[in-house]
Amino acid sequence: KNEVEQSPQNLTAQEGEFITINCSYSVGISALHWLQQHPGGGIVSLFMLSSGKKKHGRLIATINIQEKHSSLHITASHPRDSAVYICAVSGTGNQFYFGTGTSLTVIP
Amino acid sequence: GAGVSQTPSNKVTEKGKYVELRCDPISGHTALYWYRQSLGQGPEFLIYFQGTGAADDSGLPNDRFFAVRPEGSVSTLKIQRTERGDSAVYLCASSLLNGLGYTFGSGTRLTVV
Repeated sequence: KNEVEQSPQNLTAQEGEFITINCSYSVGISALHWLQQHPGGGIVSLFMLSSGKKKHGRLIATINIQEKHSSLHITASHPRDSAVYICAVSGTGNQFYFGTGTSLTVIP
Repeated sequence: GAGVSQTPSNKVTEKGKYVELRCDPISGHTALYWYRQSLGQGPEFLIYFQGTGAADDSGLPNDRFFAVRPEGSVSTLKIQRTERGDSAVYLCASSLLNGLGYTFGSGTRLTVV
């Protein structure tokens, strides 16, 4: 069993739609990260959070520590949001565990 | 520097050769991580440095892989007797303590032929 599970694996949306990607984890964590990877590109850290909610532009990330669950929301999605979104958790020993990623395609 | 720098960006080597991959983290970042990413998969943890010491090397697949960070900044991942299965993108990331400012480099694409 993976320490970090993401859903869905693949997601196709129309431009303008509200998107949610979910992440569940099974280990004790010090923080949870949402990462973005464009095709052929590097990985960019979007959020690091250990409680509550963070917002950056059209992106919102929430975490529920008790339920060991986090969500990444994208409002008013745009084709440039097309990328792989990866959930990663940093364990108490600072090792990172990665989800397998959600491949998002936003169609104009 | 402004970001995490990895060199070379691409490396093609023959099976059995030795390779070194370099990571230059963000100045002041004490934590440095190496990962390996195969096509279509998420990053796979290799090793984590806190300062000069390897705090966790449990992800190194075998003794052909070794990494150093002698002065607590630049790190080198060394792969001996490369095999075709070592072909992947090798990613480096750095952060402040406890993951603050966690930033990835753009990776080194290693191809073993």
